[in-house]
Amino acid sequence: EVQLVESGGGLVKPGGSLRLSCAASGFTFSNYIMEWVRQTPGKGLEWVSSIGGSSTSIYYADSLKGRFTISRDNAKNSLYLQMNSLRAEDMAMYYCARRASTGRMDVWGQGTTVTVSS
Amino acid sequence: QSALTQPASVSGSAGQSITISCTGTNSDVGGYNYVSWYQQHPGKAPKLMVYDVSNRPSGVSNRFSGSKSGNTASLTISGLQAEDEADYYCSSYRTSNSYVFGTGTKVTVL
Repeated sequence: EVQLVESGGGLVKPGGSLRLSCAASGFTFSNYIMEWVRQTPGKGLEWVSSIGGSSTSIYYADSLKGRFTISRDNAKNSLYLQMNSLRAEDMAMYYCARRASTGRMDVWGQGTTVTVSS
Repeated sequence: QSALTQPASVSGSAGQSITISCTGTNSDVGGYNYVSWYQQHPGKAPKLMVYDVSNRPSGVSNRFSGSKSGNTASLTISGLQAEDEADYYCSSYRTSNSYVFGTGTKVTVL
């Protein structure tokens, strides 16, 4: 079964850091571009970042201004998101997703919740 | 980065057809045939329903269909069923290797 399972979310103080993980199974992980998408309460979905199969192509949403870093370890079938200088507006459910083609995120994890509060 | 514009809510009676619009710009919806639609039930992850404007993934009902004209894409749900009640989001590739989602539409089955 194709599956993505996120972890690492939790409560963090403003200015703090958190590292999210996404464990993939059921498919050849290195063959796929992987994405992070977040959903803030009542504000809908927002694309965060994507990384190519070999990590040579990495892109971020302009709004992140260099605070987030996406990475992957194909040997461990894992995707990561390092989040620094966290703000209240980063509070959201974070999903990892597989990109099957340019216009298609076809598999999503169940999400992990990030809460930023003092 | 502005989100794509969707109506906040659309409703219809069971068996009817509804259409959800998704309006962007020449830099996203109008410039590429990479529009996708996602269904999200409360507390669940988004599910891909349509991709590349009008293609359906395996297993998605043919009651869901997509189209595009200019800077506006549309998702039509025909033969509306109770299980279709959910939030729907469009998404598009945007210039410079980024992606943008729509504001989301809550579909209510009357």
